[in-house]
Amino acid sequence: EPEVTQTPSHQVTQMGQEVILRCVPISNHLYFYWYRQILGQKVEFLVSFYNNEISEKSEIFDDQFSVERPDGSNFTLKIRSTKLEDSAMYFCASRQEPTNEKLFFGSGTQLSVL
Amino acid sequence: LAKTTQPISMDSYEGQEVNITCSHNNIATNDYITWYQQFPSQGPRFIIQGYKTKVTNEVASLFIPADRKSSTLSLPRVSLSDTAVYYCLVGPKGFGNEKLTFGTGTRLTIIP
Repeated sequence: EPEVTQTPSHQVTQMGQEVILRCVPISNHLYFYWYRQILGQKVEFLVSFYNNEISEKSEIFDDQFSVERPDGSNFTLKIRSTKLEDSAMYFCASRQEPTNEKLFFGSGTQLSVL
Repeated sequence: LAKTTQPISMDSYEGQEVNITCSHNNIATNDYITWYQQFPSQGPRFIIQGYKTKVTNEVASLFIPADRKSSTLSLPRVSLSDTAVYYCLVGPKGFGNEKLTFGTGTRLTIIP
């Protein structure tokens, strides 16, 4: 089965630093998403992205977050000035069409903010 | 959005059939029921989706009674590798379901 790839698997950063989390969605997918899961808590929707723009974002996705598709394959999540509470597992997901019921998730990036 | 209720945890022995029930009393007419599986340090993985009666694929079966106020995910002959958290989500079939929040899920532990 095709896979969504995320790098790095672990990222440690100092509070206030910028981080970029990278994702390579499945090649023929057009709709991309980021999620967050704080340790022991729920998987939460952050943002959806289509046709090079944000389709929808949650309350969590504030001005310190941004997403980008810098080329034909990568999809990135940038956190401009990290806070301790940004420590979480971040998952990228994609699907080919919005009518598809199945979301394909990557293995995640564990972000630790010190 | 329909609220779902699942058992927090379940244990089962290898080779057994496991049934995980999800309650969703306020399910809307257009809502579908979707189940995901999540292993530790992995992203959720789609298992199955259904609207009514019974749906079966190579991994699991999903039973939905006529009133649709609950659903049961059935895993046949589980193995140790089925140890995971299982999430029940209720909402749109496709577009819009990306915003559904995964609840606490059911932590299934398979015992050798």
